[in-house]
Amino acid sequence: KNEVEQSPQNLTAQEGEFITINCSYSVGISALHWLQQHPGGGIVSLFMLSSGKKKHGRLIATINIQEKHSSLHITASHPRDSAVYICAVGTALIFGKGTTLSVSS
Amino acid sequence: DAGVTQSPTHLIKTRGQHVTLRCSPISGHKSVSWYQQVLGQGPQFIFQYYEKEERGRGNFPDRFSARQFPNYSSELNVNALLLGDSALYLCASSLDGTGKADTQYFGPGTRLTVL
Repeated sequence: KNEVEQSPQNLTAQEGEFITINCSYSVGISALHWLQQHPGGGIVSLFMLSSGKKKHGRLIATINIQEKHSSLHITASHPRDSAVYICAVGTALIFGKGTTLSVSS
Repeated sequence: DAGVTQSPTHLIKTRGQHVTLRCSPISGHKSVSWYQQVLGQGPQFIFQYYEKEERGRGNFPDRFSARQFPNYSSELNVNALLLGDSALYLCASSLDGTGKADTQYFGPGTRLTVL
């Protein structure tokens, strides 16, 4: 069993839809990261969470340390949100396999 | 301010050769981490360096080595290349690499192809 599990693996949405990506982990952590990777490889750090909830624009990330679970939400999704979203935990990051999101107009 | 930079962008090598990849962290960042991302998979941790000392190492063979210089830039070296070493190699820098309140900033990666 992987230490970091993401679901769903693939996600297709229509522009404007509310998106949720889930991440569960089995190791003790000090922080959880949500990352975005576009085709071509570049990775951008979206959030680092150790508790509660963070919001940046249309993106919201939550974490429940007791349940070892985090969610990334995208409100009013847009085609430019199409990317791979990766959950990672720990100092020497352990990555999930990523969720490929495709938003069509 | 410049972000994390990596060189070269792309590289093609043949089996058995040696390769050196380079990374320059964001100014002021003292920790550099290296990751390998094979096509279709999530990145895998290779090394973390902080203040020129190895702080962590992932499950990679001894053919992989790295070092960090006094200016905090870093090199990743891979000897005796195998076809399976073909991947995107990502470098990330952070202030101190503790992970507790320390966002990692990723470079664009070096795409290595081994023929």
